[in-house]
Amino acid sequence: LAKTTQPISMDSYEGQEVNITCSHNNIATNDYITWYQQFPSQGPRFIIQGYKTKVTNEVASLFIPADRKSSTLSLPRVSLSDTAVYYCLVGDPPYSSASKIIFGSGTRLSIRP
Amino acid sequence: ETGVTQSPTHLIKTRGQQVTLRCSSQSGHNTVSWYQQALGQGPQFIFQYYREEENGRGNFPPRFSGLQFPNYSSELNVNALELDDSALYLCASSLSGTGSTGELFFGEGSRLTVL
Repeated sequence: LAKTTQPISMDSYEGQEVNITCSHNNIATNDYITWYQQFPSQGPRFIIQGYKTKVTNEVASLFIPADRKSSTLSLPRVSLSDTAVYYCLVGDPPYSSASKIIFGSGTRLSIRP
Repeated sequence: ETGVTQSPTHLIKTRGQQVTLRCSSQSGHNTVSWYQQALGQGPQFIFQYYREEENGRGNFPPRFSGLQFPNYSSELNVNALELDDSALYLCASSLSGTGSTGELFFGEGSRLTVL
């Protein structure tokens, strides 16, 4: 399973766009990239998943360059409620029964008024 | 609200005891995974069950064992509890198979304190 590296913490302000970059230099051909969000004393929550280029949903965008050795989670116009830990994960194709999701240390995002 | 329920929510045990944690999966999900999360750390993968068979295990000793039942609910058993087993134990259900996103749906966790 590919190891991921992401910043330990980030700070931003309400209304700003926040970009969290994750490095995964050893990503395998079949690996997918997934991001989860976790609030204190709760289980992580799925944000977005992608394989290449760009993926967008109602809460975030995920940018993946052609070499797939990194990815960037983009949160538009953050609010105080976006304060959480964000995990970047790389692993088996999601449709695989053998797919196992391994979490790293995550990025602690703090949003200020 | 993920549809995944865990019990108990909190419990206290003493060193050497045994504990069983339970998880009800989201309806229709065939895969369950268990994670251990110590304070301030990311969730650590314990093992995964797919259709009642263990099909993946993290770096945890054999005293951590599990079961998945025909209705896809699951149990995590920990024997000979140690102080370092104090953590939040998270259960996640998902649907494996063609067309699935593999999204994990987590419960609220069971917080275990070992004294």
